[in-house]
Amino acid sequence: DAGVTQSPTHLIKTRGQQVTLRCSPKSGHDTVSWYQQALGQGPQFIFQYYEEEERQRGNFPDRFSGHQFPNYSSELNVNALLLGDSALYLCASSHRPYKGTYGYTFGSGTRLTVV
Amino acid sequence: GQQLNQSPQSMFIQEGEDVSMNCTSSSIFNTWLWYKQDPGEGPVLLIALYKAGELTSNGRLTAQFGITRKDSFLNISASIPSDVGIYFCAGHQNQKPDRGSTLGRLYFGRGTQLTVWP
Repeated sequence: DAGVTQSPTHLIKTRGQQVTLRCSPKSGHDTVSWYQQALGQGPQFIFQYYEEEERQRGNFPDRFSGHQFPNYSSELNVNALLLGDSALYLCASSHRPYKGTYGYTFGSGTRLTVV
Repeated sequence: GQQLNQSPQSMFIQEGEDVSMNCTSSSIFNTWLWYKQDPGEGPVLLIALYKAGELTSNGRLTAQFGITRKDSFLNISASIPSDVGIYFCAGHQNQKPDRGSTLGRLYFGRGTQLTVWP
């Protein structure tokens, strides 16, 4: 049973460019959350998608946007990249109805470096 | 947003020693979680706590949900080299399980880097 799959694993981009990160949730999961983890910090919540809609959003600018597809997979898009966007981007999947937080499964992340 | 204060920031111990780390918050959480993250990997859930005062064990790990619902601690007994990694606490504020709402977001601490010397 595949867990959460993220691609690519590593990425280098230049300031001002745009990037798209991808996530396939664990089998049976229908909700996807994205987190940003800067070096030496804990993960910070970006947003959460369910039924192809953004349901919650953390304190991130509009440069961060996302999408969820009918097969529950998700994309995270970041426009006008800044050096400060360099981080590990984690995808976590879960399922409804609400069954408790043990349902969260994290992927291994995409390491984004902005130069 | 909610701030989780996790301490200590790092620990250097000898194999066989016990370890204790804690997390405090300015806000109340319905659920406290403890994760471990290895280099290049995502966080892996170790223990989930759902009720104030709850004490839960998972092998050599024991965690407690504080009575005030604003704190939690994690103990690791008889540490071994594979315990090396970063440990994170996380708080969860449950969403109402009605249509249109989903599982709530997680708030993470800054992590405790554990190093175990053989």
